[in-house]
Amino acid sequence: DVKVTQSSRYLVKRTGEKVFLECVQDMDHENMFWYRQDPGLGLRLIYFSYDVKMKEKGDIPEGYSVSREKKERFSLILESASTNQTSMYLCASSVGLAGTEQFFGPGTRLTVL
Amino acid sequence: GENVEQHPSTLSVQEGDSAVIKCTYSDSASNYFPWYKQELGKRPQLIIDIRSNVGEKKDQRIAVTLNKTAKHFSLHITETQPEDSAVYFCAAIPSGSARQLTFGSGTQLTVLP
Repeated sequence: DVKVTQSSRYLVKRTGEKVFLECVQDMDHENMFWYRQDPGLGLRLIYFSYDVKMKEKGDIPEGYSVSREKKERFSLILESASTNQTSMYLCASSVGLAGTEQFFGPGTRLTVL
Repeated sequence: GENVEQHPSTLSVQEGDSAVIKCTYSDSASNYFPWYKQELGKRPQLIIDIRSNVGEKKDQRIAVTLNKTAKHFSLHITETQPEDSAVYFCAAIPSGSARQLTFGSGTQLTVLP
């Protein structure tokens, strides 16, 4: 059973703070993804990684960076949090190429005051 | 890149009736189309997917149809039950990528008793 876990379910930060969101998967998946979920906008891809130390920009990378030092861990970093980054953040992982199931974490509800 | 449009944004049906959610995509090279279900407060989970070499796929009460010529695909749920109430997301693989998905904006399905 694939397990994707995220470091926090709820997080409250202040404008300008540096924020770290961590995601860990236990199934040796090479692909990991960070999405943000906003009402009416669906799931929008921020960054993804297909290997250790590799990263690719998604559709909305501005204001975010990522780190993947180990295969099982993918971190999302908000260098200077802003109120418009208040959102639900979902991590996911998958294996291989050509369209395979993405397994999601429980999400982190981030509020930036 | 890929653009996926999903309709309707909200859908209410009586228990036992059928529900249909439709998505259109822009990239004719897309070849993988999954559907995810997200119950309230939970993570999205894959419920069914279809690849471009087939026109229809069924799994008990749910089915997905694909029209490659028109570039649209649909989710059909028959004999709806209260536990079908959730947000449903369609997705497609954007051109040039074999790993990431572009998601639609989601449909909130409510099954009324």
